[in-house]
Amino acid sequence: GNSVTQMEGPVTLSEEAFLTINCTYTATGYPSLFWYVQYPGEGLQLLLKATKADDKGSNKGFEATYRKETTSFHLEKGSVQVSDSAVYFCALSEAVSTGNTGKLIFGQGTTLQVKP
Amino acid sequence: DAEITQSPRHKITETGRQVTLACHQTWNHNNMFWYRQDLGHGLRLIHYSYGVQDTNKGEVSDGYSVSRSNTEDLPLTLESAASSQTSVYFCASSESQDTDTQYFGPGTRLTVL
Repeated sequence: GNSVTQMEGPVTLSEEAFLTINCTYTATGYPSLFWYVQYPGEGLQLLLKATKADDKGSNKGFEATYRKETTSFHLEKGSVQVSDSAVYFCALSEAVSTGNTGKLIFGQGTTLQVKP
Repeated sequence: DAEITQSPRHKITETGRQVTLACHQTWNHNNMFWYRQDLGHGLRLIHYSYGVQDTNKGEVSDGYSVSRSNTEDLPLTLESAASSQTSVYFCASSESQDTDTQYFGPGTRLTVL
């Protein structure tokens, strides 16, 4: 079945450090890939997405590239801020031969803590 | 602005009681979803709906039920609450199966004693 695997956290960085959070997936068909972010005490919100191979999603300085050959969608940011401290979830859209199901499969989440 | 709301935000109940968590969205989205979030498990799908009168079981549906009588609401009912159902519950919606971006509510923290 479809699944998403993220690197285990927590990840602790100093402000202005480079961030990478690894995400790999297993899926049939051609899913879309997502990164969602959850700030403390809030629901998840979409950070970025990519809908086909080699697409790069980007938002707020974060970016991720859909790599079909390595089944990966790693999240990167060149210089993190304290305000980026949150839980980050990688997800894929579940597709069947007839199209999308509208359902998402989530990884377990990676906690990022950025220290001043 | 369109939004998705959940109530209550926090709930403490006792084992065996029936509990209903509310979810209301004003986007007029067809799809609605309920997830539970537990440490080490990410988000797991409980139930989902593609439209009025449509409901479907997710991967962890035992002990939960939903009903969809209108577009805006998808209440989640725990028929007989168990301590294993202590969790944070999130409701989400999306426009259609072809647009798979989901929009999440703020969550309900449920404690079953």
